[in-house]
Amino acid sequence: GQSLEQPSEVTAVEGAIVQINCTYQTSGFYGLSWYQQHDGGAPTFLSYNALDGLEETGRFSSFLSRSDSYGYLLLQELQMKDSASYFCALWGVGGKLIFGQGTELSVKP
Amino acid sequence: DAGVIQSPRHEVTEMGQEVTLRCKPISGHNSLFWYRQTMMRGLELLIYFNNNVPIDDSGMPEDRFSAKMPNASFSTLKIQPSEPRDSAVYFCASSLESGYNSPLHFGNGTRLTVT
Repeated sequence: GQSLEQPSEVTAVEGAIVQINCTYQTSGFYGLSWYQQHDGGAPTFLSYNALDGLEETGRFSSFLSRSDSYGYLLLQELQMKDSASYFCALWGVGGKLIFGQGTELSVKP
Repeated sequence: DAGVIQSPRHEVTEMGQEVTLRCKPISGHNSLFWYRQTMMRGLELLIYFNNNVPIDDSGMPEDRFSAKMPNASFSTLKIQPSEPRDSAVYFCASSLESGYNSPLHFGNGTRLTVT
């Protein structure tokens, strides 16, 4: 099976940089994705890492290390609107996308 | 692009009743996923379809749950009979392709309350 672990909560101040970590256990996977969810609404796609290394999309970057079974989402220049839940998710063999429990990010002024 | 459309947005029903949740995926998308979200269990994959065919239903909790996709533009998730522990937000999502690099587009969910 597959399992993912992420911190339940992270707090940061506006303008700062925050890193949300994700560790996983799996027998095989294609890549690691990140999704954002505001107030229980529809999750929205942020990024995808198929290969090791850093992927950058504006203020957000995502990193994957297959050898360490580890990834992270990096949010820079934090804004109040970034307060949300962030989920890492594994694309497993067979086409299943399995989500972690989510990290609730609170951005303080 | 209207996005993934789910109905109803909210459903309140009594234990033992049948519940049917509906989903219209984005036109042209050929993969469809049903997820359930609760505080305790997070986002759980229930079942997913590729080209209207169920590929993996190992996440369906019990025989009380069933899902169908009669055509490319419509899917249903049925719970019969419903129980209070089924209370959750049910999300439908679609993607352009079946596979690892195709982002999922989620609907706004159906909040189900079973009393």
